[in-house]
Amino acid sequence: KNEVEQSPQNLTAQEGEFITINCSYSVGISALHWLQQHPGGGIVSLFMLSSGKKKHGRLIATINIQEKHSSLHITASHPRDSAVYICAVTVYNTDKLIFGTGTRLQVFP
Amino acid sequence: KAGVTQTPRYLIKTRGQQVTLSCSPISGHRSVSWYQQTPGQGLQFLFEYFSETQRNKGNFPGRFSGRQFSNSRSEMNVSTLELGDSALYLCASSLLGTANTGELFFGEGSRLTVL
Repeated sequence: KNEVEQSPQNLTAQEGEFITINCSYSVGISALHWLQQHPGGGIVSLFMLSSGKKKHGRLIATINIQEKHSSLHITASHPRDSAVYICAVTVYNTDKLIFGTGTRLQVFP
Repeated sequence: KAGVTQTPRYLIKTRGQQVTLSCSPISGHRSVSWYQQTPGQGLQFLFEYFSETQRNKGNFPGRFSGRQFSNSRSEMNVSTLELGDSALYLCASSLLGTANTGELFFGEGSRLTVL
């Protein structure tokens, strides 16, 4: 079993839909990261969370430390949101990252 | 300010050769970490350097090595290349490391093909 599990692996949505991507982890962490990767490889950090909830524009990320679970929500999805979304955790007391396998999102107009 | 710069962006090598990849972090960032991304294994942590010292290391063989210079620029080296080393190699910089300040800034990656 992977230490960081993401679901779903693939997601297709119509423009305007509300999207949720889930991440569960089994190790002790000091932080959880949500990353976005577009075709071509470049990765952008969307959020770093250690507790609670953060919001940037149409993106919302939440984390429940007790349940070892995080969610990334996209409100009013748009075709430009099409990308791979990756959950990663910083292992407690280190700078090591463990990555989930990613969720491929396609948003159609 | 300038982002994280990785060079070269693309390279082709043959089995048995060695390769050196370079990463220039954002000015002022002292932590540089390296990652390997393959279709089969996804993203995997290679190592992390802070102030010229390797602080963390992933589960890769000794053929994978790195270093960091006093200006925080980092290089990684892979010796005796194998076909399975074909991958996108990404580096990321952060101010003090993900355990402290968190946010990572990634370069565009170096895509290595081993023939």
